Amino acid sequence: KAGVTQTPRYLIKTRGQQVTLSCSPISGHRSVSWYQQTPGQGLQFLFEYFSETQRNKGNFPGRFSGRQFSNSRSEMNVSTLELGDSALYLCASSSDPQSTDTQYFGPGTRLTVL
Amino acid sequence: AQSVSQHNHHVILSEAASLELGCNYSYGGTVNLFWYVQYPGQHLQLLLKYFSGDPLVKGIKGFEAEFIKSKFSFNLRKPSVQWSDTAEYFCAVTSGTYKYIFGTGTRLKVLA
Repeated sequence: KAGVTQTPRYLIKTRGQQVTLSCSPISGHRSVSWYQQTPGQGLQFLFEYFSETQRNKGNFPGRFSGRQFSNSRSEMNVSTLELGDSALYLCASSSDPQSTDTQYFGPGTRLTVL
Repeated sequence: AQSVSQHNHHVILSEAASLELGCNYSYGGTVNLFWYVQYPGQHLQLLLKYFSGDPLVKGIKGFEAEFIKSKFSFNLRKPSVQWSDTAEYFCAVTSGTYKYIFGTGTRLKVLA
């Protein structure tokens, strides 16, 4: 079974631009979560989708948004980029909607904002 | 608000030394607890998890963790580390809301 894939792997943008990141979960997984990983901050939860519905959201500004498609693929969008948005963005999928389920992580998208 | 604290940010050990990484969480209700590991150049992966039953859980590669409810702790242990255990370790908690709260991570370096 293929793992979680994320595209693109690297992105360089300038302040004020917007960006869209994509995540394809493991086949059969319907839950997709997004995280921002920065040195010293660890992983910070952005949002989680299950069956095209956002079930939970972290404490990020409205510039961060996401969606999930009927095939469980998910995208996240960041508008009006700021320097502080530079980070590794991780996507994770799981098969079961229970919160005890294991999350399987992708390799991440490294976003650099200049 | 829920939070997870990992007090050891960097740990350096020699091979064969024993390891204990601390994890404390703040939440009074029922929790599910996880340890994830990120080896250099690899994806985050699950080491072990606890959601009910025996509070001493065993994971992959000889790791174990003990849930102590009274101390709000879920410390990770390994009796004898190897060079290949060099990685970053993350503790995480959920409480039925599908929202994972991760700690800031502990970077472990094992000297050969």
